[in-house]
Amino acid sequence: GAVVSQHPSRVICKSGTSVKIECRSLDFQATTMFWYRQFPKQSLMLMATSNEGSKATYEQGVEKDKFLINHASLTLSTLTVTSAHPEDSSFYICSARKIQGRTEAFFGQGTRLTVV
Amino acid sequence: ILNVEQSPQSLHVQEGDSTNFTCSFPSSNFYALHWYRWETAKSPEALFVMTLNGDEKKKGRISATLNTKEGYSYLYIKGSQPEDSATYLCAFLNRDDKIIFGKGTRLHILP
Repeated sequence: GAVVSQHPSRVICKSGTSVKIECRSLDFQATTMFWYRQFPKQSLMLMATSNEGSKATYEQGVEKDKFLINHASLTLSTLTVTSAHPEDSSFYICSARKIQGRTEAFFGQGTRLTVV
Repeated sequence: ILNVEQSPQSLHVQEGDSTNFTCSFPSSNFYALHWYRWETAKSPEALFVMTLNGDEKKKGRISATLNTKEGYSYLYIKGSQPEDSATYLCAFLNRDDKIIFGKGTRLHILP
């Protein structure tokens, strides 16, 4: 199997604080992990592609200083929402692909972020 | 602009009936088309990875077809069961390794 674990599943934070979300591939190595955001009734929007050992590639319109991505190992990528504001409240979900190639993605459980 | 459209947005089907829905995607620079099933409170799970024009894939009561020349894929569910209730996502991958998801079709199976 291919399991991706994402934590936390829900987080409520105060405006101005930072929140870190972890995405781990538990039983495979993932050179590439992806971070998505989903607004209500919208599709999953790719925020950034995270490559192990190098800087993340951000999609147009996504602030790299706002959404810090670190992919320090082949099994862990983190997304930090810095100085969170209520408009950052959303559903964030990660996915990973196996090292072998462009196969299907394996998703984490997602994180519901609420900034108050 | 790359656009992936899924229709219908929502669907109610009587248990035992068969159903199908559509994913439309760009017909140029195509690499692969993925279908995922996303059940409430769970992670999206891959159903099919389709790469060749004319591909037909089947998993139990669920099957999918692919037409890359006209840019559409159909997902079929035969004899719907309550456990089929979920959101079905399609995702288009191009040769630049860019992935675009549709908004999904939310399927409700009525007992």
